Amino acid sequence: AQSVTQPDIHITVSEGASLELRCNYSYGATPYLFWYVQSPGQGLQLLLKYFSGDTLVQGIKGFEAEFKRSQSSFNLRKPSVHWSDAAEYFCAVSSTGGGNKLTFGTGTQLKVEL
Amino acid sequence: NAGVMQNPRHLVRRRGQEARLRCSPMKGHSHVYWYRQLPEEGLKFMVYLQKENIIDESGMPKERFSAEFPKEGPSILRIQQVVRGDSAAYFCASSPGFRETQYFGPGTRLLVL
Repeated sequence: AQSVTQPDIHITVSEGASLELRCNYSYGATPYLFWYVQSPGQGLQLLLKYFSGDTLVQGIKGFEAEFKRSQSSFNLRKPSVHWSDAAEYFCAVSSTGGGNKLTFGTGTQLKVEL
Repeated sequence: NAGVMQNPRHLVRRRGQEARLRCSPMKGHSHVYWYRQLPEEGLKFMVYLQKENIIDESGMPKERFSAEFPKEGPSILRIQQVVRGDSAAYFCASSPGFRETQYFGPGTRLLVL
């Protein structure tokens, strides 16, 4: 069965500092990988996705992520964090079987200090 | 372009009552997914539907929960005889096709008293 691990429950960074959120997955074949962001009381917004091809993918709001098959990782990065980036971030993997369901990690809560 | 719409946004029920959650997918999307987010947890898949068909319900509790996506109208997630443990945020997502990106609605926060 597929699974996603986000080892950091909470992360605090200063505004302007760089950010890296970790995501490790377990899946037998080549996965489809996603990062979503959730602001308090809101739904999930897609930041970026990896299906195939270039392992470094660019997303919205200045985020990027790199797929590393050898490490089973898909870490999210941003070179300079803004206060508005404070939110909860979820990594997810998609089944390539008939269900097409997303399996989510438990999320990383990002706090930005001014 | 309207996104995925869910209503109500907040729903309060007493134990034993029924809860009906509605989801209208984005225009042109015929695939709908329901997820549940319990407090302090990530989202868990519940069910995947296409028009008039349930494709994958492997995440649905065996009792009291049902889902439909009729030919006309929104998708409905129905919870009968709610219990306190059903209190959660229920999110709907839609996609235009199989294995395409899922877009999420704002969720329905269910509180069972």
